Amino acid sequence: GDSVTQMEGPVTLSEEAFLTINCTYTATGYPSLFWYVQYPGEGLQLLLKATKADDKGSNKGFEATYRKETTSFHLEKGSVQVSDSAVYFCALSLNNNDMRFGAGTRLTVKP
Amino acid sequence: DTAVSQTPKYLVTQMGNDKSIKCEQNLGHDTMYWYKQDSKKFLKIMFSYNNKELIINETVPNRFSPKSPDKAHLNLHINSLELGDSAVYFCASSRRVSFNEQFFGPGTRLTVL
Repeated sequence: GDSVTQMEGPVTLSEEAFLTINCTYTATGYPSLFWYVQYPGEGLQLLLKATKADDKGSNKGFEATYRKETTSFHLEKGSVQVSDSAVYFCALSLNNNDMRFGAGTRLTVKP
Repeated sequence: DTAVSQTPKYLVTQMGNDKSIKCEQNLGHDTMYWYKQDSKKFLKIMFSYNNKELIINETVPNRFSPKSPDKAHLNLHINSLELGDSAVYFCASSRRVSFNEQFFGPGTRLTVL
């Protein structure tokens, strides 16, 4: 079935390090792809999205490009901050009838 | 001003009890959702609901039922609670039945003893 697989955490980085969180998907059609972030004690917030191949979503210094050829949507940030510590979820949506989330990757950024 | 709010934030109860979790959104959205996040952080949709249609994830036991007194509220009622129901439950809303931008509540941590 349709699903999302993201790299297992936890990921621990020093401030200003480069971040990559891998996400790959399996889908029968052409999904929309999302990254959500969950800060401690809060609900999920949409971080960025892409709705078709080669689209790049970006927000708050984070980027992800929808790669149809590799069925991937990897999240990147050039220089992480302590305030980026959170759990990041990759997700896909097909046909507006369902939303599939990955298992989440916990990121801890140390000063 | 909280966009999507849930109460209670924490709920501890005994097996076999019936409980409800309330959700309210002040965004004027037409569609609301319930998600369950298990201990491994997997987030699974349980229901999506607008005033016309309820879509149920077929894996959700019928002990779970959404109740919507009006467009701004979607409460989750759970009968005969089981240990495996322990999880964090998130409410969300969107302008229509669209997953393109959902707004999530802060979650309710349910612990069944």
